[in-house]
Amino acid sequence: DGGITQSPKYLFRKEGQNVTLSCEQNLNHDAMYWYRQDPGQGLRLIYYSQIVNDFQKGDIAEGYSVSREKKESFPLTVTSAQKNPTAFYLCASNNPGLLGHTGELFFGEGSRLTVL
Amino acid sequence: AQSVTQLDSQVPVFEEAPVELRCNYSSSVSVYLFWYVQYPNQGLQLLLKYLSGSTLVKGINGFEAEFNKSQTSFHLRKPSVHISDTAEYFCAVSESGYSTLTFGKGTMLLVSP
Repeated sequence: DGGITQSPKYLFRKEGQNVTLSCEQNLNHDAMYWYRQDPGQGLRLIYYSQIVNDFQKGDIAEGYSVSREKKESFPLTVTSAQKNPTAFYLCASNNPGLLGHTGELFFGEGSRLTVL
Repeated sequence: AQSVTQLDSQVPVFEEAPVELRCNYSSSVSVYLFWYVQYPNQGLQLLLKYLSGSTLVKGINGFEAEFNKSQTSFHLRKPSVHISDTAEYFCAVSESGYSTLTFGKGTMLLVSP
């Protein structure tokens, strides 16, 4: 079945350590997105990529980095510079280039990062 | 720029009662509207969407929503809720011709027996 796979589901790290969250999709979508979710704050866009080897900052990119070396993969690194990294992270994808594209997003199951 | 307001952060309701979750948006152009549902520690799942045509849209799990252009609203309704409907619900909007989806802050639906 086509979908988006995020791993790991749960991750614990010590303060000051970098951590990388994986996101893989087999939907053949061009665009991929990373969102951060905190209680009561909805979804905030961290980074997005509309094509391989290119990506743009979202609203809260500070302390995060991404890469897009393959169409299927869009890993997110939470660096030690991120002041408050404990959160639920969601990866999503869509195909903006399709005729009649509506903006609908397809989501992975999320990764919960806890920094101790 | 588009924006979405979900007026209620939490809606408590008893099982088998009706429920309405409110969503208002602002945009100067034609829009597409979406409702997503999120169960605890899971991703977002599409509940229903309005693209064009009939203003009453039916989705999964017995939910429906009505697009009201004059009031710029897209409220979600269900005539009789179940315990299993307990989840967070997000309203989202995109403008025709663009790919960016803007989300509201979410409404937590709490169904009790």
